[in-house]
Amino acid sequence: NAGVTQTPKFRILKIGQSMTLQCTQDMNHNYMYWYRQDPGMGLKLIYYSVGAGITDKGEVPNGYNVSRSTTEDFPLRLELAAPSQTSVYFCASRSGGWNLSNEKLFFGSGTQLSVL
Amino acid sequence: QQQVKQSPQSLIVQKGGISIINCAYENTAFDYFPWYQQFPGKGPALLIAIRPDVSEKKEGRFTISFNKSAKQFSLHIMDSQPGDSATYFCAASKVDSNYQLIWGAGTKLIIKP
Repeated sequence: NAGVTQTPKFRILKIGQSMTLQCTQDMNHNYMYWYRQDPGMGLKLIYYSVGAGITDKGEVPNGYNVSRSTTEDFPLRLELAAPSQTSVYFCASRSGGWNLSNEKLFFGSGTQLSVL
Repeated sequence: QQQVKQSPQSLIVQKGGISIINCAYENTAFDYFPWYQQFPGKGPALLIAIRPDVSEKKEGRFTISFNKSAKQFSLHIMDSQPGDSATYFCAASKVDSNYQLIWGAGTKLIIKP
């Protein structure tokens, strides 16, 4: 099983450029999340979605946009890249519910983005 | 009030020893506390999680201890092995928050053979 797939794995952008980070999952999960991970800072939630057509802001949404037109895909858009957006980006999904023995996030392998 | 403070930042333990990582939170509304393990170049993966109605949960060599009054919880890795070398993250959330986790800063654990 593929699980959560992120593309690209690496990308270098110039200041002011735009790009879309792709995320797709094949587990039919309703919930999907975008995180950024900075060294020594843990993970910060950018946006999340509870189902197709429904998205909401996380802790650090400024400079990003998302859409969720299908259950499988949850792309993250950077419109005007800034050096502060240099980070590792992780997409994650979960099925939903609060059965502790089953509930967890499934993560992709990440996209390392540098904005120069 | 939304912070989760994790310590230490890095930890070196001899093979066979006990690794202990601590986390503290401020928001008393948090009621779900997972630990995630991350290897280089990979996304985090759930290791073990606890709800505040119990003070301890054990899965194999991994144990979470939870102190509700002190607002602290910790991860203990018994008989630490080189394969346990990874970065460990604690996190916290409210059950009704759509799993919006607040993450600690991470602990880089190295197990020396």
